[in-house]
Amino acid sequence: AQKVTQAQTEISVVEKEDVTLDCVYETRDTTYYLFWYKQPPSGELVFLIRRNSFDEQNEISGRYSWNFQKSTSSFNFTITASQVVDSAVYFCALSDNYGQNFVFGPGTRLSVLP
Amino acid sequence: DAGITQSPRYKITETGRQVTLMCHQTWSHSYMFWYRQDLGHGLRLIYYSAAADITDKGEVPDGYVVSRSKTENFPLTLESATRSQTSVYFCAIQEGRASTDTQYFGPGTRLTVL
Repeated sequence: AQKVTQAQTEISVVEKEDVTLDCVYETRDTTYYLFWYKQPPSGELVFLIRRNSFDEQNEISGRYSWNFQKSTSSFNFTITASQVVDSAVYFCALSDNYGQNFVFGPGTRLSVLP
Repeated sequence: DAGITQSPRYKITETGRQVTLMCHQTWSHSYMFWYRQDLGHGLRLIYYSAAADITDKGEVPDGYVVSRSKTENFPLTLESATRSQTSVYFCAIQEGRASTDTQYFGPGTRLTVL
């Protein structure tokens, strides 16, 4: 069975601090996909990134970066120089090779204080 | 903009009543998904559909029925609503299989069962 763990329930940082959100996953599949989504206070879900299991390159997109390590089954998300607008719940998710069986982690609530 | 809408946005019903939540896309993406979001559980997949007339169960399908007679619509029916089905329901669409495709979410339907 697939499982995603986000051990950090809530994190609070002060604006401009860097913050890392942890994601640990479990799967028996050799091919799978990992995702991060953002859910701001308004409630919508916003796709941030998808990574397949064969691509272990780290990715950087502006202030966001992701560290995928198969050896530790982790897919961590770092926000550099956090801003108040980054305050949201962030979900890590895992899907099988067919992109159909999505499993979400419980989410991490990030509060960025001014 | 993926053009995915959900209706109604808010619904209050009573235990035992039948309720149908609608998901509509203006694109012709193959895959459609229904999730429920409860506090502490993140998102859980209820049903998904790979194409018109093709549906399959997700993690928590009991008490729900889906159909997909047209590509653009994916209604979710609670045959006899229970209080445990009080939740926020999200519909999502995806163009094809996961290899390069992004999953887009609708705005959600907040359902309260009294």
